Amino acid sequence: QKEVEQNSGPLSVPEGAIASLNCTYSDRGSQSFFWYRQYSGKSPELIMSIYSNGDKEDGRFTAQLNKASQYVSLLIRDSQPSDSATYLCAALWLTGANSKLTFGKGITLSVRP
Amino acid sequence: NAGVTQTPKFRILKIGQSMTLQCTQDMNHNYMYWYRQDPGMGLKLIYYSVGAGITDKGEVPNGYNVSRSTTEDFPLRLELAAPSQTSVYFCASSYSKGVTDTQYFGPGTRLTVL
Repeated sequence: QKEVEQNSGPLSVPEGAIASLNCTYSDRGSQSFFWYRQYSGKSPELIMSIYSNGDKEDGRFTAQLNKASQYVSLLIRDSQPSDSATYLCAALWLTGANSKLTFGKGITLSVRP
Repeated sequence: NAGVTQTPKFRILKIGQSMTLQCTQDMNHNYMYWYRQDPGMGLKLIYYSVGAGITDKGEVPNGYNVSRSTTEDFPLRLELAAPSQTSVYFCASSYSKGVTDTQYFGPGTRLTVL
């Protein structure tokens, strides 16, 4: 059973702080990792993807991947109230002719003004 | 580009009724997916398709059926609706199965079965 686990939330940070979101996955065969942001009542929206060990930065967002520890994280610098949402971690497996994403349950982030 | 569109946005069904959730994408994507999301949970894969005429089961297929007659459309059929099918349903698409490929999601259909 391929599983993606996220920290139980919710997570609350003050405006301007760094928010750190963590995720672990069960299968070492996972090849790609994604962070989706989901506002209440809306669909998931991709904000970061990472495929290689190390850090990947995009604006205020940094994704970190450690395949040896089976660990993925998302850092949000200078958090804004508009970052308040649920963040879903997902891992992708290639299986023959197909690829499948497995999602974690998500963690809800609240940024306090 | 409209991306991925879904209809209807909301629907209330009685137990035992049937309905079809529509999904259309205009990005010429080969891969299409149906997920359901229950409150406080991640997305669970119901069915997916790798191209017109080819579909396969995901993690939670029971009570659902799909077809894919064109590249653009991937409808999800609920037969004999049950309260356990109350959920938000998302359709998604991607160009390929590659490790770098991104799934794009539709706006969702909120279904209540009473």
